Amino acid sequence: EAGVTQFPSHSVIEKGQTVTLRCDPISGHDNLYWYRRVMGKEIKFLLHFVKESKQDESGMPNNRFLAERTGGTYSTLKVQPAELEDSGVYFCASSLRSTGGYEQYFGPGTRLTVT
Amino acid sequence: DAKTTQPNSMESNEEEPVHLPCNHSTISGTDYIHWYRQLPSQGPEYVIHGLTSNVNNRMASLAIAEDRKSSTLILHRATLRDAAVYYCILRGRGSRLTFGEGTQLTVNP
Repeated sequence: EAGVTQFPSHSVIEKGQTVTLRCDPISGHDNLYWYRRVMGKEIKFLLHFVKESKQDESGMPNNRFLAERTGGTYSTLKVQPAELEDSGVYFCASSLRSTGGYEQYFGPGTRLTVT
Repeated sequence: DAKTTQPNSMESNEEEPVHLPCNHSTISGTDYIHWYRQLPSQGPEYVIHGLTSNVNNRMASLAIAEDRKSSTLILHRATLRDAAVYYCILRGRGSRLTFGEGTQLTVNP
């Protein structure tokens, strides 16, 4: 069974440009999460989708970040315009259920560098 | 989310057992104890989770104290590939995982 995949693996953009990250969850997983780790900090939650609906987006840092999950399959996270502090590794995870007894499976991450 | 406390780092020798401790004195009755690990340049990887009883899977064992205020992740025979940061996370009704700094495990050959 294929795991969570993310594209691209690396992205280098200039400040002010736009970048779109993609996540493909494990097939059949209705729950999809985005996290990120910025330099020297802990991994932080960004948002949670249940199918195509945003269940919790309390971790999104500001309105420059837009996440979508059309059709309840893959998800995209767009950063527009990118700022230097957006540099970090963005992880996507998926799970079968969102309750405490279910594990999350993570992708390898997208390393974003804003110069 | 309830907080967990882990040592910053631990060392082990290859093929020896490793016991990684975690304190979670403010755990609520509905919180599951999850362990994840992150190898260098990879995404976090699920290891094991439990609620009240000890759990075993192919990767590790999880020993949970009777009062649930602490737990221990047990790697029965550490290998060099087990060198990673290990995170102990309480997961309740909320959907998110709250990562702390974790324990950096070094495995010596």
